[in-house]
Amino acid sequence: GENVEQHPSTLSVQEGDSAVIKCTYSDSASNYFPWYKQELGKRPQLIIDIRSNVGEKKDQRIAVTLNKTAKHFSLHITETQPEDSAVYFCAASLGGGGADGLTFGKGTHLIIQP
Amino acid sequence: DTEVTQTPKHLVMGMTNKKSLKCEQHMGHRAMYWYKQKAKKPPELMFVYSYEKLSINESVPSRFSPECPNSSLLNLHLHALQPEDSALYLCASSQATAQETQYFGPGTRLLVL
Repeated sequence: GENVEQHPSTLSVQEGDSAVIKCTYSDSASNYFPWYKQELGKRPQLIIDIRSNVGEKKDQRIAVTLNKTAKHFSLHITETQPEDSAVYFCAASLGGGGADGLTFGKGTHLIIQP
Repeated sequence: DTEVTQTPKHLVMGMTNKKSLKCEQHMGHRAMYWYKQKAKKPPELMFVYSYEKLSINESVPSRFSPECPNSSLLNLHLHALQPEDSALYLCASSQATAQETQYFGPGTRLLVL
């Protein structure tokens, strides 16, 4: 089955600086890569996703890049703010012919220092 | 309605009890999912339903029994659980085609005594 590795497990950055979280996956057939943000006691919420026919996607301060050859994708958050503090999960799915479950990375605890 | 709802929010049960978790969505999604999340861990897939039929079972013990009575509802029936089954149980839904966004409910926090 799919295996998703995520690094770092904890990331502390100064407010206003950028944060980068990296993930690798094992199954070359995976073609959908969402990122979720989960605050303490809350549900995971999608912040951005990328599909295998796209190399980069941006939404305001958040961007995701995908390198299918290297089986690697990354989340970039610029101009970090205190409300960005949360656990971030990357995930991958095959989505070959229909609905498919997500395989998550272990998560990154992002801490924004004021 | 753009939300997935789950009831109850919290549940405490003994190892001999039978209980059910409920999930509902009114977004017209035809795929629904159960995930289990232990503290400080990522969600782990348990089951996938597509068009009300079970399409994926991630080798989940039979003490967990899913049911999808219609396209808006998903249940998880619990029987003879173990303390290690204590976790947050998350429901999600999406369109039933590939590469679709999954929307999560708030979860049911389950404690098995």
